[in-house]
Amino acid sequence: GAVVSQHPSWVICKSGTSVKIECRSLDFQATTMFWYRQFPKQSLMLMATSNEGSKATYEQGVEKDKFLINHASLTLSTLTVTSAHPEDSSFYICSARTSFDYNEQFFGPGTRLTVL
Amino acid sequence: GQNIDQPTEMTATEGAIVQINCTYQTSGFNGLFWYQQHAGEAPTFLSYNVLDGLEEKGRFSSFLSRSKGYSYLLLKELQMKDSASYLCAVMDSNYQLIWGAGTKLIIKP
Repeated sequence: GAVVSQHPSWVICKSGTSVKIECRSLDFQATTMFWYRQFPKQSLMLMATSNEGSKATYEQGVEKDKFLINHASLTLSTLTVTSAHPEDSSFYICSARTSFDYNEQFFGPGTRLTVL
Repeated sequence: GQNIDQPTEMTATEGAIVQINCTYQTSGFNGLFWYQQHAGEAPTFLSYNVLDGLEEKGRFSSFLSRSKGYSYLLLKELQMKDSASYLCAVMDSNYQLIWGAGTKLIIKP
């Protein structure tokens, strides 16, 4: 099956710093990537949808200036959490899909962010 | 609004059978997914139903009734490693996944 990687797997940072998370599709071209956030004991919350070469579409309540998403190529999307604060501590998961099968999303392993 | 309902937590015994229900109300329907998620890990795909009926895959089966907005995931011959959260998700008319809160399944020896 298709493989999606995320880097880093976990990160600890100080409040006020920025953190970049990479999401890569390793063996397929991902025209669309999704970024999710999951707080403990809660379900996945979609933050934004990004299509290669265009601006990301953010869900209501998600600050686009705080969560910068770049989908520069068909195999890479990045999420940058700017000026991170403790309330941004969460599990961030990306998923990817191709242009020819809208029904299947392939998930990355997730990134655990802890902001001190 | 869009809504996915599933029980918060269930407990079952090793070797037994458990059924996890999911009801949904969404804007359009392009299929229903079940995912398994172990603590601290990303979800892994279990099943996909787009037509009514039962899909069987080894110890796991998933059922869909579109007219009732209802699905269930059936797990047979439960093993301790099946202890996890099970997420029901529906793909809406915009091909976005709408997620349930997940059902935490606890398997006891």
